[in-house]
Amino acid sequence: KAGVTQTPRYLIKTRGQQVTLSCSPISGHRSVSWYQQTPGQGLQFLFEYFSETQRNKGNFPGRFSGRQFSNSRSEMNVSTLELGDSALYLCASSYSRQGTEQFFGPGTRLTVL
Amino acid sequence: EDQVTQSPEALRLQEGESSSLNCSYTVSGLRGLFWYRQDPGKGPEFLFTLYSAGEEKEKERLKATLTKKESFLHITAPKPEDSATYLCAVQAAAAGNKLTFGGGTRVLVKP
Repeated sequence: KAGVTQTPRYLIKTRGQQVTLSCSPISGHRSVSWYQQTPGQGLQFLFEYFSETQRNKGNFPGRFSGRQFSNSRSEMNVSTLELGDSALYLCASSYSRQGTEQFFGPGTRLTVL
Repeated sequence: EDQVTQSPEALRLQEGESSSLNCSYTVSGLRGLFWYRQDPGKGPEFLFTLYSAGEEKEKERLKATLTKKESFLHITAPKPEDSATYLCAVQAAAAGNKLTFGGGTRVLVKP
């Protein structure tokens, strides 16, 4: 069974640009969550999508947004990039919202110059 | 606000030297406590989910236990391939799939 895939794996952008990251969950999984991982803050929750609807949102500015498609694939967008947005962005998929296991993808390493 | 604290931050072990990692948490209605392993440059790898106090789960050299305030990850007779960062996370009953993570424990097992 294929795992969670994320594209691209690496990305370099400059301040002020915007970026779109993609996540394909495990087949049959309907929930996708996004996390930001930095050395200083660790893993922080961005948002969760289930059945194409955002169900939960973390404490991030409105520059961070996302969406989920009918095939459960998800994208997240960051507009007006700042240096502090440099991080590993991880997505996790799970079958439901009832405490089942969440499986992470390899992440997208975003560097903002 | 849900909080997770892991200790120690780093652990250096000799191969075969057993030890335990601690995860203390406060959460409004625990739905589940998760343990992950993360290797450098990779996404977290799922290890265990614990749902209620007293529950224990084992996988190879790893054993996770849960009380009402903390969880322990015991590493028995570790090998160098057990070197990784171990992450603990909690999921609150009213928070859907949101996981709140601790800072992790970096484990280095020397041969």
